[in-house]
Amino acid sequence: AQSVTQLGSHVSVSEGALVLLRCNYSSSVPPYLFWYVQYPNQGLQLLLKYTTGATLVKGINGFEAEFKKSETSFHLTKPSAHMSDAAEYFCAVSETGGYNKLIFGAGTRLAVHP
Amino acid sequence: DGGITQSPKYLFRKEGQNVTLSCEQNLNHDAMYWYRQDPGQGLRLIYYSQIVNDFQKGDIAEGYSVSREKKESFPLTVTSAQKNPTAFYLCASSAGRGGETQYFGPGTRLLVL
Repeated sequence: AQSVTQLGSHVSVSEGALVLLRCNYSSSVPPYLFWYVQYPNQGLQLLLKYTTGATLVKGINGFEAEFKKSETSFHLTKPSAHMSDAAEYFCAVSETGGYNKLIFGAGTRLAVHP
Repeated sequence: DGGITQSPKYLFRKEGQNVTLSCEQNLNHDAMYWYRQDPGQGLRLIYYSQIVNDFQKGDIAEGYSVSREKKESFPLTVTSAQKNPTAFYLCASSAGRGGETQYFGPGTRLLVL
């Protein structure tokens, strides 16, 4: 069965610093890959996704992620953190072909301090 | 505005009581989903529906039931058989095909009295 691992349940950065949130998946076949963001007591909002094509994907709010098949990774980055980036971030995968069922990681809570 | 609505925002359940959470979408999506979110566990799939009048169990369906009588509606009932119902419940919809984005509602927080 597919699984998603997000390394670090909590990450803390200074405002203006690089944000790096890690995501690894287990699959012999490259899946579809997603990053979602959740603000307190709200639903999830899509940041970006990879389906096919260019492996570096740009999303909203200055975030980007790179699909690395050899490392089975899809890490999320942002060059300069802003206070408004403080939220919980979820990586998710779905299998190519067939039904669109998402498997989520446990999430990483990002704190941004002045 | 197109989107997904969930109601109520907060719901209180008494022992032995069934409660129903509402989910409505006007995105014309074929597929709808229910997830349960607990702290530190991410989202877990309860039920999903690919088309009207059809639905399948997800990973944690015990103690829950759903119906899909209309394309735009996918209500979730938390039955008395669900012994630990306190959680944040999220509804989502998508076009249903692989790789399509799932769009989420604002969630319902269920608490037990």
